[in-house]
Amino acid sequence: DTAVSQTPKYLVTQMGNDKSIKCEQNLGHDTMYWYKQDSKKFLKIMFSYNNKELIINETVPNRFSPKSPDKAHLNLHINSLELGDSAVYFCASNGGAEQFFGPGTRLTVL
Amino acid sequence: AQSVTQLDSQVPVFEEAPVELRCNYSSSVSVYLFWYVQYPNQGLQLLLKYLSGSTLVKGINGFEAEFNKSQTSFHLRKPSVHISDTAEYFCGLAGGTSYGKLTFGQGTILTVHP
Repeated sequence: DTAVSQTPKYLVTQMGNDKSIKCEQNLGHDTMYWYKQDSKKFLKIMFSYNNKELIINETVPNRFSPKSPDKAHLNLHINSLELGDSAVYFCASNGGAEQFFGPGTRLTVL
Repeated sequence: AQSVTQLDSQVPVFEEAPVELRCNYSSSVSVYLFWYVQYPNQGLQLLLKYLSGSTLVKGINGFEAEFNKSQTSFHLRKPSVHISDTAEYFCGLAGGTSYGKLTFGQGTILTVHP
């Protein structure tokens, strides 16, 4: 059983397009996150949701809009994609003393 | 503000040799510290964590780390590495009373040579 899953694994798209990445966790956790890992492998938090409520927004451009339909899902929608959005995006959920990470979605903007 | 600094971007080592990956942190509140490993093209896997109590914590795959509050460090060690330990390692910090919002260091690439 996959604890935290993301789809798609790879996403290649043109500048200006809108795309979404989906995340699901089956661990029963209340808190979920999106992280961005850039080309230098630097990992930085973007958003955190607790039980469908936004609790952290780390000055991410408003082209990025997270949506949590229920506490098991946290999707990331990106409008008007830019070259600089190319990165690996990781979803995670918080199990109290540990964050469980998804396998990542590699987004390439051409 | 909190920050994590991993002092080495790359650490090459021969198989069966000991290794230490260094991590220093800065925080004005009490902290929880983590080490994660990322194998190529994979997500992050927790190696070990310090929450409270004993300052020497043991994790998976034979790794251990020591929390040193006076030196604000949380170095990761393994007495004898294997080829399969080749990966990138991230030190992370969560501050305050919440376990949320991990702040990561820049990562250290460990390469184990035969």
